[in-house]
Amino acid sequence: DVKVTQSSRYLVKRTGEKVFLECVQDMDHENMFWYRQDPGLGLRLIYFSYDVKMKEKGDIPEGYSVSREKKERFSLILESASTNQTSMYLCASNLEGPNQPQHFGDGTRLSIL
Amino acid sequence: ELKVEQNPLFLSMQEGKNYTIYCNYSTTSDRLYWYRQDPGKSLESLFVLLSNGAVKQEGRLMASLDTKARLSTLHITAAVHDLSATYFCAVDRTTDSWGKLQFGAGTQVVVTP
Repeated sequence: DVKVTQSSRYLVKRTGEKVFLECVQDMDHENMFWYRQDPGLGLRLIYFSYDVKMKEKGDIPEGYSVSREKKERFSLILESASTNQTSMYLCASNLEGPNQPQHFGDGTRLSIL
Repeated sequence: ELKVEQNPLFLSMQEGKNYTIYCNYSTTSDRLYWYRQDPGKSLESLFVLLSNGAVKQEGRLMASLDTKARLSTLHITAAVHDLSATYFCAVDRTTDSWGKLQFGAGTQVVVTP
């Protein structure tokens, strides 16, 4: 079974802090994704990566950056956390190919105080 | 911009009855995914629909895709409590294989006796 592991289930940080969310997958997937999930809005894509050191912006990249130094690990960085970044963050990965569903981690519920 | 609309957003089901969730999308795509999310859990892939007329079934759930109408349906037969969850549809935005998905807002399903 595919395993996508997010480092924290719950995280509380303060405004202005630099925050790192980590995601690791164990199935050698090429693609990795970061989403945020807010009630009534579904999932919105923040960034994705299709290879090591490759990244592209999603729909809401402002205030975020990402890092993919190794194939299995994709990090989301909040450069200077703000209260409107309080949300559930989901990481996903999938194989390259037109019909590969994304596999999701359990999510990190992040609160910015 | 691709828009994905699900309706209803909330569905109260009686056990034993049949229901349908609709997923409309605004631009051409021939790849659509259905996911399920239990409260506090991550998303689980249910179906991948890859062409016009595709139909997939698993237990009491059946999903279909009409690419001409830009519509997918998720049909629930004889609802049971275990099907209580939030269901998301997601449409592939690109013709390449990166799997950039546009999600609907989700349909929260509650099944009661």
